[in-house]
Amino acid sequence: DQQVKQNSPSLSVQEGRISILNCDYTNSMFDYFLWYKKYPAEGPTFLISISSIKDKNEDGRFTVFLNKSAKHLSLHIVPSQPGDSAVYFCAGGYGQNFVFGPGTRLSVLP
Amino acid sequence: DAGVIQSPRHEVTEMGQEVTLRCKPISGHDYLFWYRQTMMRGLELLIYFNNNVPIDDSGMPEDRFSAKMPNASFSTLKIQPSEPRDSAVYFCASSPGRGWTYEQYFGPGTRLTVT
Repeated sequence: DQQVKQNSPSLSVQEGRISILNCDYTNSMFDYFLWYKKYPAEGPTFLISISSIKDKNEDGRFTVFLNKSAKHLSLHIVPSQPGDSAVYFCAGGYGQNFVFGPGTRLSVLP
Repeated sequence: DAGVIQSPRHEVTEMGQEVTLRCKPISGHDYLFWYRQTMMRGLELLIYFNNNVPIDDSGMPEDRFSAKMPNASFSTLKIQPSEPRDSAVYFCASSPGRGWTYEQYFGPGTRLTVT
């Protein structure tokens, strides 16, 4: 049973537009969420996080929104740049444990 | 610091052979994690160590998988015997702490192909 779901395996967006990556979770015990970004042939790198007591966290072009009642979070990238093309992993966690989703491949087209 | 180092970067082996993946964490990091990435399941945590001691190995798929951390600067993940379904990218990560306030730093991964 996947506790963290990213139902869109891939997403294509035009440069300069907004990218919205979605993530759904089933475990109501998660008290924090993370987004990691992964380029080909490299390991994932941390991007942004959010505590479950917040509904929004912003860092430059990246904003994560959390809707606890819907068990849904999303990552917004504005404006999207070609260098943002990567696989994005959503993760939920509680205490010492966190669980990654399967990832969404974002392609930003010039 | 050079970051987390993994070797080999690519491994191709035949079914039934033993495979050993290696990891050198970032110096000073007390936590080391082994992950497996597949298309179907994404990134799965296999096992993690704290101060060289295995803490949670509930993600290890079968007894064919074993992991050790003989010292603070080295860990291995061994598969014996290997099977085609073990084909995946295996990542090692290290962290100065456990929990969301501590970033995990990933190595570049080892792409394992079992034929």
